[in-house]
Amino acid sequence: EVQLVESGGGLVQPGRSLRLSCRASAFTFGDYAMSWVRQAPGKGLEWVGFIRSKAYGGTTEYPASVKGRFIISRDDSNSIAYLQRNSLKTEDTAVYYCIKTKRRMTTYYFEYWGQGTLVTVSS
Amino acid sequence: DIVMTQTPLSLSVTPGQPVSISCKSSQSLLHTDGKTYLYWYLQKPGQSPQLLIYEVSNRFSGVPDRFSGSGSGTDFTLYISRVEADDVGVYYCMQVIQLPWTFGLGTKVEIK
Repeated sequence: EVQLVESGGGLVQPGRSLRLSCRASAFTFGDYAMSWVRQAPGKGLEWVGFIRSKAYGGTTEYPASVKGRFIISRDDSNSIAYLQRNSLKTEDTAVYYCIKTKRRMTTYYFEYWGQGTLVTVSS
Repeated sequence: DIVMTQTPLSLSVTPGQPVSISCKSSQSLLHTDGKTYLYWYLQKPGQSPQLLIYEVSNRFSGVPDRFSGSGSGTDFTLYISRVEADDVGVYYCMQVIQLPWTFGLGTKVEIK
């Protein structure tokens, strides 16, 4: 059974940085892209970026709302995806989900989601 | 960005009754490769979202056949033929034809 376990959440002050980790198991991590989606309290889902597999360049994509502040990386040898968030704002408060992302023709889709980790940005 | 508009935003249904949820996109989700990149996810209370339907009408592994999807271009519908108590939660449609990938606001389904 696919498992995605996020960690690194917690309380952080505005302007600080925080790195989230997502440890994967039960699938060949290096063969898949990995995405992050966030959900502010009581709100809907917002995609915040993804990283392609090394076979497709290992490159990243972000929406304009987080580009330049969020950085996604991966460690295939340990099956871990990371989300580095810089210059955090109070509006970044959310549950952050890590997602096993499957390539489909020329695009991707979200196949399995982790349980999420809560990040609270507050002074 | 492609805007995904879901209706209704919430509904309350009697077990055994059918449900339909609409999702409209601001641009066509039909790709030149012939695929239509519209997906449906369900977020049950207190859980992370799970994939229900991919490419408009294909049920993901393990999804009961009471769930089905239809549509084309910019108009899509998720159907639940006979709602069960386990189907409560928020249903989201999502497009992946164009970056940034975007979701609808969600439709909350409750059982009467």
